[in-house]
Amino acid sequence: AQSVTQLDSQVPVFEEAPVELRCNYSSSVSVYLFWYVQYPNQGLQLLLKYLSGSTLVKGINGFEAEFNKSQTSFHLRKPSVHISDTAEYFCAVRSPSNTGKLIFGQGTTLQVKP
Amino acid sequence: DAEITQSPRHKITETGRQVTLACHQTWNHNNMFWYRQDLGHGLRLIHYSYGVQDTNKGEVSDGYSVSRSNTEDLPLTLESAASSQTSVYFCASSSTSRAYEQYFGPGTRLTVT
Repeated sequence: AQSVTQLDSQVPVFEEAPVELRCNYSSSVSVYLFWYVQYPNQGLQLLLKYLSGSTLVKGINGFEAEFNKSQTSFHLRKPSVHISDTAEYFCAVRSPSNTGKLIFGQGTTLQVKP
Repeated sequence: DAEITQSPRHKITETGRQVTLACHQTWNHNNMFWYRQDLGHGLRLIHYSYGVQDTNKGEVSDGYSVSRSNTEDLPLTLESAASSQTSVYFCASSSTSRAYEQYFGPGTRLTVT
């Protein structure tokens, strides 16, 4: 069975500092990987996705993630965070054979401090 | 603009009552999903549907039911609300051609007392 583990429940960081949110997945088949962001009192929105091709994926708001098959990881990074990046971030995996279904990690709260 | 809406946004109910949460999307998506969000668990799939008259159980379906009579709506019913069902509920939809990209509603916060 597929599973997703987000290694940090909370990540505090100062504004303009770099950040990495870690995500590991387990799957015996090739997967599609996603990062979603949830701003306070809102639903989730897609930040970026990896389907195939280049292992470095760029998303919205300056975020990027790197797919590492050997380490089964899909870590999210941003070189310089802003106060407005404060939100909860979810890593998710979908097997190509499971049309539309997503399995989410537990979430990581990014707290950007001034 | 196309959107996905949920109602009510907040609901307080008593144990044992039947509760229905509405989800309506104007994307014309075939796929619709219901999740619950709890601290430490992320989002867990309750039920999902790939089209009209199609419904499927997710990982935490006990105590919940859905029906899909048209493309736009997938109401979620709690047959007899329990305190363990206090949570934030999210509805999502996606198209068949881009099934992996789900669009989420704003959520319904349900409290069962």
